[in-house]
Amino acid sequence: NAGVTQTPKFQVLKTGQSMTLQCAQDMNHEYMSWYRQDPGMGLRLIHYSVGAGITDQGEVPNGYNVSRSTTEDFPLRLLSAAPSQTSVYFCASSTGGRNTEAFFGQGTRLTVV
Amino acid sequence: GDSVTQMEGPVTLSEEAFLTINCTYTATGYPSLFWYVQYPGEGLQLLLKATKADDKGSNKGFEATYRKETTSFHLEKGSVQVSDSAVYFCALSEGDDMRFGAGTRLTVKP
Repeated sequence: NAGVTQTPKFQVLKTGQSMTLQCAQDMNHEYMSWYRQDPGMGLRLIHYSVGAGITDQGEVPNGYNVSRSTTEDFPLRLLSAAPSQTSVYFCASSTGGRNTEAFFGQGTRLTVV
Repeated sequence: GDSVTQMEGPVTLSEEAFLTINCTYTATGYPSLFWYVQYPGEGLQLLLKATKADDKGSNKGFEATYRKETTSFHLEKGSVQVSDSAVYFCALSEGDDMRFGAGTRLTVKP
């Protein structure tokens, strides 16, 4: 039972570099989302997708891009990393709808120097 | 917009003490309410949920009741254990996306 798998677990970037955080789920969930977790601020929604080919912005989308070419994968791209993007990133998936449980990956700890 | 407010931590308790973590919410409609727990180095996992007013969610000795009149969903446990040490998040959902509180770190000492 893999659930939601995120890679890498840790990453250090230099300011201005780009990278992609990978997220894959094997539960055939339509809904996938990316959050960032910062001390004292809980989880904030970056981008989400309600199905393959459909993405939308969350609360804090600036500096991030996403795409959803398959049901299983939802990568998050940092175009030009900034120190303000130092955070822990979580990917989540669910069947969608107000009653459903979200399943989370183990997180990616990103440091931008 | 929708939002969740949790009591600030950290909370430190002795083993077997009573736990309450307060959570209040603001929503335009009728959200479902959730408590998630995050153990060190791990992602969040669902602890319990309630989908309508007066519902009580419960799991592993934890309980929370959906109170529409006070817009609250406080988490309680009668006797905490060292293994309950974690960060607890209150969350709500009115549709596909979920909004989280800031999290409350609980430390239980033997």
